[in-house]
Amino acid sequence: GDSVTQMEGPVTLSEEAFLTINCTYTATGYPSLFWYVQYPGEGLQLLLKATKADDKGSNKGFEATYRKETTSFHLEKGSVQVSDSAVYFCALLNTGTASKLTFGTGTRLQVTL
Amino acid sequence: GAGVSQSPSNKVTEKGKDVELRCDPISGHTALYWYRQSLGQGLEFLIYFQGNSAPDKSGLPSDRFSAERTGGSVSTLTIQRTQQEDSAVYLCASRPAGGYEQYFGPGTRLTVT
Repeated sequence: GDSVTQMEGPVTLSEEAFLTINCTYTATGYPSLFWYVQYPGEGLQLLLKATKADDKGSNKGFEATYRKETTSFHLEKGSVQVSDSAVYFCALLNTGTASKLTFGTGTRLQVTL
Repeated sequence: GAGVSQSPSNKVTEKGKDVELRCDPISGHTALYWYRQSLGQGLEFLIYFQGNSAPDKSGLPSDRFSAERTGGSVSTLTIQRTQQEDSAVYLCASRPAGGYEQYFGPGTRLTVT
């Protein structure tokens, strides 16, 4: 079945540091890939998405590229801010089997001054 | 416009009692999902409604869990004879026809004592 593996947290960075959160997936067919973010006390929000190989999703300075050859969708940001502190979830949507999202376990990011 | 709303925001119940959780999706969204977020299990798919089709119940953990969607809009997730392991945040999401993005509600935090 479909699965998503992302790096365990927590990840602690100083403000303005470079961020990478690794995500790899296993799926049949051609899934769409997503990063969702959950800020403290809030619901899940879509951060960015990519629907086919080599697509790059980007939003709020975050980027992720859909790499079919390595089945990866790593999240990156060049300079994190304290306000980026949140839990980040990688997810896939395999419309070939069902339309439900399959999530990774989430990675907590803590950014300090 | 209004987002996905859920009620109650918090629910504390005694083991063995039944609970009902409500979700109001974004108006016009044809697809509705329930997920569960718990420590140690991450985000798990529970059930999916798409228009008038039979729901995909493949994620429901036991026959104590059921859900309905009336008139293609509001949905109720019912948990009968609650157990302590049912304690979690229950998330609802909706999606427009033809779209990829699922819009999440703020969740209902269920605590079974």
